[in-house]
Amino acid sequence: DTGVSQDPRHKITKRGQNVTFRCDPISEHNRLYWYRQTLGQGPEFLTYFQNEAQLEKSRLLSDRFSAERPKGSFSTLEIQRTEQGDSAMYLCASSTGTDTQYFGPGTRLTVL
Amino acid sequence: RKEVEQDPGPFNVPEGATVAFNCTYSNSASQSFFWYRQDCRKEPKLLMSVYSSGNEDGRFTAQLNRASQYISLLIRDSKLSDSATYLCVVNGNYGGSQGNLIFGKGTKLSVKP
Repeated sequence: DTGVSQDPRHKITKRGQNVTFRCDPISEHNRLYWYRQTLGQGPEFLTYFQNEAQLEKSRLLSDRFSAERPKGSFSTLEIQRTEQGDSAMYLCASSTGTDTQYFGPGTRLTVL
Repeated sequence: RKEVEQDPGPFNVPEGATVAFNCTYSNSASQSFFWYRQDCRKEPKLLMSVYSSGNEDGRFTAQLNRASQYISLLIRDSKLSDSATYLCVVNGNYGGSQGNLIFGKGTKLSVKP
């Protein structure tokens, strides 16, 4: 399967714990995006990488959130000191620089 | 005002019906427009891009009215498999190069036998 992959698919954690998600984009895609989607809402942009450079961050990305793409390939999104409001689907998308973004299956986070 | 607004529905239609979804966007500098489809608990998938001249893909027709900042999607001869949430999407980078996507909340469609 050469699509965008994300790991884990589901994560249940207790409030205050740290979690890390991974995204592997389509191999030739140089752009990688993170979005968050809560129930009944469309995805909301969090951050964007072109190769290894993080070029844009949403104001939704509080200081508890950090994202990296160290070698311009896979990316990680870490949430520190999780809160119940962080419960959501975290989606990763990639593209080659055209407008079409291809989404991964998402990581569903539940914070208890 | 939300950047992208859609009627959340649900739209409940019989098989074979024609159904239309509408969407408005707030930033007149927006340059790229899309419809994505999202099945329950799945990721969004691109249905079609939307061009100023209007475009058609089989049973699906998309229209863009830049003056009114309005986007539409028409589905003809609805199938059971069309049941999903349809997301109206605008490219958020107004400087011309690709940026993040701005999604509406989605319109839920349920096609009944």
